[in-house]
Amino acid sequence: GDSVTQMEGPVTLSEEAFLTINCTYTATGYPSLFWYVQYPGEGLQLLLKATKADDKGSNKGFEATYRKETTSFHLEKGSVQVSDSAVYFCALSQAGTALIFGKGTTLSVSS
Amino acid sequence: NAGVMQNPRHLVRRRGQEARLRCSPMKGHSHVYWYRQLPEEGLKFMVYLQKENIIDESGMPKERFSAEFPKEGPSILRIQQVVRGDSAAYFCASSPRDASEQPQHFGDGTRLSIL
Repeated sequence: GDSVTQMEGPVTLSEEAFLTINCTYTATGYPSLFWYVQYPGEGLQLLLKATKADDKGSNKGFEATYRKETTSFHLEKGSVQVSDSAVYFCALSQAGTALIFGKGTTLSVSS
Repeated sequence: NAGVMQNPRHLVRRRGQEARLRCSPMKGHSHVYWYRQLPEEGLKFMVYLQKENIIDESGMPKERFSAEFPKEGPSILRIQQVVRGDSAAYFCASSPRDASEQPQHFGDGTRLSIL
């Protein structure tokens, strides 16, 4: 079945460092791809999405490009802030189905 | 607050009791999804409902768990005769149509603890 694999954390960075969180997927067809962020004690918030190959999703300085040839959707940010500390989830959705999530990557940013 | 509302935020039950978790979707959303998050794990799909219909319950345990989304009122996830392994965070999400292109909006979850 469909699945999502993302790099294991925790990822620990200093403020203003460059961030990459790797995400690869296995799916039939052409799923939509998402990144969600979860702050402590809260639900998931949609960070960005891409619905077809070569689409780039971006929001709040984060971006990810839907790469069909490598089945990847890596999350990047050029300069992280302490407020970016959270758990990040990569997910996919096929037409009309629920989200399939990776296990999440914890990001910790120190000043 | 126009977001997805879940209550209670925290629920404590003893083994053998029943747990009822409620979810009010965003205004205008008629699709509801329930997910379970175990410690150190990602979210796992449980059930997908539209008003008065269960569309996909492939992620629901076969026993003790049930869900409904009545014509009026919130969606309810019901767990009967709870066991320690049911301890988890349960999240509800809603969308205006199916989730193929419309992102799901999540509530803050219900943290269920079984004593």
